[in-house]
Amino acid sequence: SSELTQDPAVSVALGQTVRITCQGDSLRSYYASWYQQKPGQAPVLVIYGKNNRPSGIPDRFSGSSSGNTASLTITGAQAEDEADYYCNSRDSSGNRSFGGGTKLTVL
Amino acid sequence: QVQLQESGPGLVKPSQTLSLTCTVSGGFISSGDYYWSWIRQPAGKGLEWIGRIYTSGSTKYNPSLKSRVTISVDTSKNQFSLKLSYVTAADTAVYYCAREEDILTGYPPINWFDPWGQGTLVTVSS
Repeated sequence: SSELTQDPAVSVALGQTVRITCQGDSLRSYYASWYQQKPGQAPVLVIYGKNNRPSGIPDRFSGSSSGNTASLTITGAQAEDEADYYCNSRDSSGNRSFGGGTKLTVL
Repeated sequence: QVQLQESGPGLVKPSQTLSLTCTVSGGFISSGDYYWSWIRQPAGKGLEWIGRIYTSGSTKYNPSLKSRVTISVDTSKNQFSLKLSYVTAADTAVYYCAREEDILTGYPPINWFDPWGQGTLVTVSS
């Protein structure tokens, strides 16, 4: 499986903008999807494809990609955005892998 | 809307086989172009993709687990299942089932997992 690398922890002041990144060679060829996970809960899809949000996900969440890096941006972070965030992608063999996760703290 | 629910023993002895079932409600498992997946998460750690199955029975497994994993589907019961053999304490985790959509018609291909089950904790201990 491809290896995806995320920063373990990121913090942002309330109402500010934060970018969470995911690096991996597979991201040069494939999009990442992003998942939000709050304590004791299952992950929830927040971004997929080039920059698609499922129904119910606020438009302050957006995705982008450049080279071997995919990014999840939260514009105007809210207290309820405090969570772990995971990226996921595929490799050329069709295997899936997740990044190690980023713990987002909203200050 | 489609919902998934995991079920199975919460405690498995070392060297035995872990067996879990995911029941799909709110839609037919065989309708639409979806894959049905298992993902796990040890306490305090990240997510690990275990594998997936298509309703035709076609499977794909994480290479690191492939020798021990079997995923099957029962369309008549709207369920799919996971078997993981020769478990050790390292297999203790919350196990999630999820639906994957995999769009291959465009470039690059797009895939995502949605929805997920609530997860079930499986502990491997004697």
